[in-house]
Amino acid sequence: AQSVTQPDIHITVSEGASLELRCNYSYGATPYLFWYVQSPGQGLQLLLKYFSGDTLVQGIKGFEAEFKRSQSSFNLRKPSVHWSDAAEYFCAVATDSWGKLQFGAGTQVVVTP
Amino acid sequence: DTAVSQTPKYLVTQMGNDKSIKCEQNLGHDTMYWYKQDSKKFLKIMFSYNNKELIINETVPNRFSPKSPDKAHLNLHINSLELGDSAVYFCASSQEIVSPGAFFGQGTRLTVV
Repeated sequence: AQSVTQPDIHITVSEGASLELRCNYSYGATPYLFWYVQSPGQGLQLLLKYFSGDTLVQGIKGFEAEFKRSQSSFNLRKPSVHWSDAAEYFCAVATDSWGKLQFGAGTQVVVTP
Repeated sequence: DTAVSQTPKYLVTQMGNDKSIKCEQNLGHDTMYWYKQDSKKFLKIMFSYNNKELIINETVPNRFSPKSPDKAHLNLHINSLELGDSAVYFCASSQEIVSPGAFFGQGTRLTVV
């Protein structure tokens, strides 16, 4: 069965430190991959997406993600977090052209001073 | 200008009632979606419409009925509301089917009492 796993439910990081959020997927082929961010009480905002080509994808707000086919992973990174990065982050995959998104369970990021 | 707008933002209602949530997008997108986020923040697709045509219909009780009067609107009507329907419902739209859910609304928090 297809699945999306975000192993870390909760991550605490100091402001200015680097951040890496993990995402693994289980699917027979390379799916379309996405990272979204949800601030408290808000909708989801697309950070970046991967369809094909360069495996290092740049997104908004200084985020980047790297697709590793051998590890079935699509980890999200940011070199230096800001307090405003505190939010819930969701990895998602679309396994067909109709755009049906399957989400991971999310990782809550807390940023400390 | 709000790209994807949902109304109402909050909805509290009693069991057994019928309610509707409206969604409008002003982005000129062809595809619109409804997602449900439960109390554990798990997101799951419910429906998708492309140019007013239903293309994704997940295993959702038939008490839920989407309606798309035109490609800029996708409403969700729920009959005979149950306690388990309490959740946050998100509308989303995308330009291309393979770039799903690029823009999400702010969500409608439905509480059934």
